[in-house]
Amino acid sequence: DQQVKQNSPSLSVQEGRISILNCDYTNSMFDYFLWYKKYPAEGPTFLISISSIKDKNEDGRFTVFLNKSAKHLSLHIVPSQPGDSAVYFCAARRLDGTASKLTFGTGTRLQVTL
Amino acid sequence: NAGVMQNPRHLVRRRGQEARLRCSPMKGHSHVYWYRQLPEEGLKFMVYLQKENIIDESGMPKERFSAEFPKEGPSILRIQQVVRGDSAAYFCASSPGQVNNEQFFGPGTRLTVL
Repeated sequence: DQQVKQNSPSLSVQEGRISILNCDYTNSMFDYFLWYKKYPAEGPTFLISISSIKDKNEDGRFTVFLNKSAKHLSLHIVPSQPGDSAVYFCAARRLDGTASKLTFGTGTRLQVTL
Repeated sequence: NAGVMQNPRHLVRRRGQEARLRCSPMKGHSHVYWYRQLPEEGLKFMVYLQKENIIDESGMPKERFSAEFPKEGPSILRIQQVVRGDSAAYFCASSPGQVNNEQFFGPGTRLTVL
């Protein structure tokens, strides 16, 4: 049961253009969403997050949008840079008793070309 | 401030042997999470621990897997009688507390079962 889905396994974008990575979720109990970036042979690195009470959060070149009614969020990177090439994971959290485990999507591999 | 540390980075075991994976959380963090990533998949939650307590082990296989986070020393994920299907990357994350939503990840341990 994949509760967090990233339907695009890969995305190629030219340097300087906008990268849009999408994520859908099915569990309406999720109340916090995060994006992580992962390089090969390294652990995920936190990028940006958004609470379910907001619809947008911006941090530099990164903006996350949340559409609760559609159970959809997206990460926008603008302008895209070659160093952004990595696998991006969407993750969601549900406060379940005392736990706050993360549920991850399967990832989208972003390739930023020159 | 050192990040989350995991060792070993790579571990090779033969079927039937035991694997011990260690995780030292960031300084000041008392919450540890273990995740497993199979090839071409996202990270899957395994277990959430606080010092000397297992809070949520709903993602942990019922047999052969165990985890602990003692009062002193690192958190340990133990896999007994390993099988080929245990080959994966195992990531540890830590956070300062439940109310803090960001989890910081270690570099992972890549377990290969021959």
